[in-house]
Amino acid sequence: DVKVTQSSRYLVKRTGEKVFLECVQDMDHENMFWYRQDPGLGLRLIYFSYDVKMKEKGDIPEGYSVSREKKERFSLILESASTNQTSMYLCATEFNPNQPQHFGDGTRLSIL
Amino acid sequence: QKEVEQNSGPLSVPEGAIASLNCTYSDRVSQSFFWYRQYSGKSPELIMSIYSNGDKEDGRFTAQLNKASQYVSLLIRDSQPSDSATYLCAVNSNAGNMLTFGGGTRLMVKP
Repeated sequence: DVKVTQSSRYLVKRTGEKVFLECVQDMDHENMFWYRQDPGLGLRLIYFSYDVKMKEKGDIPEGYSVSREKKERFSLILESASTNQTSMYLCATEFNPNQPQHFGDGTRLSIL
Repeated sequence: QKEVEQNSGPLSVPEGAIASLNCTYSDRVSQSFFWYRQYSGKSPELIMSIYSNGDKEDGRFTAQLNKASQYVSLLIRDSQPSDSATYLCAVNSNAGNMLTFGGGTRLMVKP
């Protein structure tokens, strides 16, 4: 089974802080994704990566950056956290686009 | 125009009934179709994959794909209260070769 591990289930930070969300997968998948999910808005793609050191913007990249230094790890960075970034953040991986994505447990982030 | 559409619900069915969840998509050359279940506060969990026209059964779940009409559906037989969740449809869109998610349908199974 694919295991996708997100570093925190719940996180509380203050506005202006730099926030790191970590995601690690154990299946040697090339493709990794970061989404946020808000009530009524569904899953929205923030960034994705198809290889080490590679990153592509998704639908809502503003205010975020990512890092993929190793194949198994994909980090989401909030450069200067704001209250409108309070959300559920979900990491996912896939073997290729014709295969399903597998999600981590999610991080519920609150920015105060 | 949304690429993958689902009725947001809630769809309410009595325990033991068949729940029918529908999804339409816009990209005619889509090849891969997935159903996820998401309980409140949890992450999406894959329950079905389907790649060919027709029906695919797995326990109480049946996925149905009709590429000509561009819809995919999920039937849940003998619905249980534990099936109450939001069901997400996901479609591989060859435009950009990305997996696209629908907004989800909330299912409520009443005892």
